[in-house]
Amino acid sequence: DGGITQSPKYLFRKEGQNVTLSCEQNLNHDAMYWYRQDPGQGLRLIYYSQIVNDFQKGDIAEGYSVSREKKESFPLTVTSAQKNPTAFYLCASSIGASRGAGELFFGEGSRLTVL
Amino acid sequence: GENVEQHPSTLSVQEGDSAVIKCTYSDSASNYFPWYKQELGKGPQLIIDIRSNVGEKKDQRIAVTLNKTAKHFSLHITETQPEDSAVYFCAASLGASGSARQLTFGSGTQLTVLP
Repeated sequence: DGGITQSPKYLFRKEGQNVTLSCEQNLNHDAMYWYRQDPGQGLRLIYYSQIVNDFQKGDIAEGYSVSREKKESFPLTVTSAQKNPTAFYLCASSIGASRGAGELFFGEGSRLTVL
Repeated sequence: GENVEQHPSTLSVQEGDSAVIKCTYSDSASNYFPWYKQELGKGPQLIIDIRSNVGEKKDQRIAVTLNKTAKHFSLHITETQPEDSAVYFCAASLGASGSARQLTFGSGTQLTVLP
């Protein structure tokens, strides 16, 4: 089955620690995205990548970092610089902005809790 | 930038009744308006979308209407069923191709269909 796989589903972290969330897709999509979801708020874009070895900051990139070394993979690192990291993180992909992306395909999310 | 407001934040309806969720947007240049459904513990999934050159679109029990003059669009679900219970997000995009990079999401509506 084609889709997006996020891991881990649940993650606990102590303050001051970095943590990396995994996102893998087998849809052959060019573009990938990371969103943050907080209760009562819409999805906010953290980072996005339109092609391998390239990525751009979204609206709330501070305290996060990403890499895009392979088309299939777009890991997100939540660093100790992120002031309020406890949230639900969603990874998504789309065919590619240059081809009229339209639909986003989401993974099932990773819930990060900072203790 | 674009601002999308979504109402109501919670909505309860009896099974078989209709449900309506409304969104307003601020930037008259927005031209693509998708709706996503997020079931508990899962990522959002596109259920219907509409472009600015269309006033209404239907897909079985789901319909979306767009009023460009008033800058608002609505999701209508008829003959609601328990499996319609979920969080629904509206979004608006400035991109000519509906680029996911330029999507701004509403804050979400928790719909509960009561048996």
